[in-house]
Amino acid sequence: QKEVEQNSGPLSVPEGAIASLNCTYSDRGSQSFFWYRQYSGKSPELIMSIYSNGDKEDGRFTAQLNKASQYVSLLIRDSQPSDSATYLCAVNGGMNTGFQKLVFGTGTRLLVSP
Amino acid sequence: GAVVSQHPSRVICKSGTSVKIECRSLDFQATTMFWYRQFPKQSLMLMATSNEGSKATYEQGVEKDKFLINHASLTLSTLTVTSAHPEDSSFYICSATDISYEQYFGPGTRLTVT
Repeated sequence: QKEVEQNSGPLSVPEGAIASLNCTYSDRGSQSFFWYRQYSGKSPELIMSIYSNGDKEDGRFTAQLNKASQYVSLLIRDSQPSDSATYLCAVNGGMNTGFQKLVFGTGTRLLVSP
Repeated sequence: GAVVSQHPSRVICKSGTSVKIECRSLDFQATTMFWYRQFPKQSLMLMATSNEGSKATYEQGVEKDKFLINHASLTLSTLTVTSAHPEDSSFYICSATDISYEQYFGPGTRLTVT
């Protein structure tokens, strides 16, 4: 079982729609959860961090965390073509891997069509 | 937000030569820096974890004598690819973190070995 799993996509949504990206993780000891956006040929950019169960909103982005289900999601409202990128879910390593390390999913490619 | 710089952004070198890549945290002190490699259309692969003033911890399968890491201060880490070969051609990305566990990535260095 992979430590952090994401659907590779592509996830295609029309402009203005809500994009929903999902991620599951295996280490119950993980405490910090992150979403990164990576444009083709560029390095990842941190867009959201979440540490406790529930929702966290920042502009058009909402991160949701459910530790009991080991599930993290990212909602992007009013999706724009400029949101087209690969979204990486990252989870801190927990006791098994080390809290400083991040374990990355393979990413979900999002395509927003005009 | 936290800013991490990386230099050079792009380098072409001949097989057998060594290349040094610098990673700097510009507006915060990085307790830990990480070095990743990313091949085309693949996810990030952690190479090593670097703490200021101590030896780097390498991931399994990464040759420490080939990829030399020095973390001389809380704002600077360097990666030297020694005796580079064409198979070392890749996108090398550093990240830096403070005690919050949020990792901020540099813009990356694209290495081409001819």
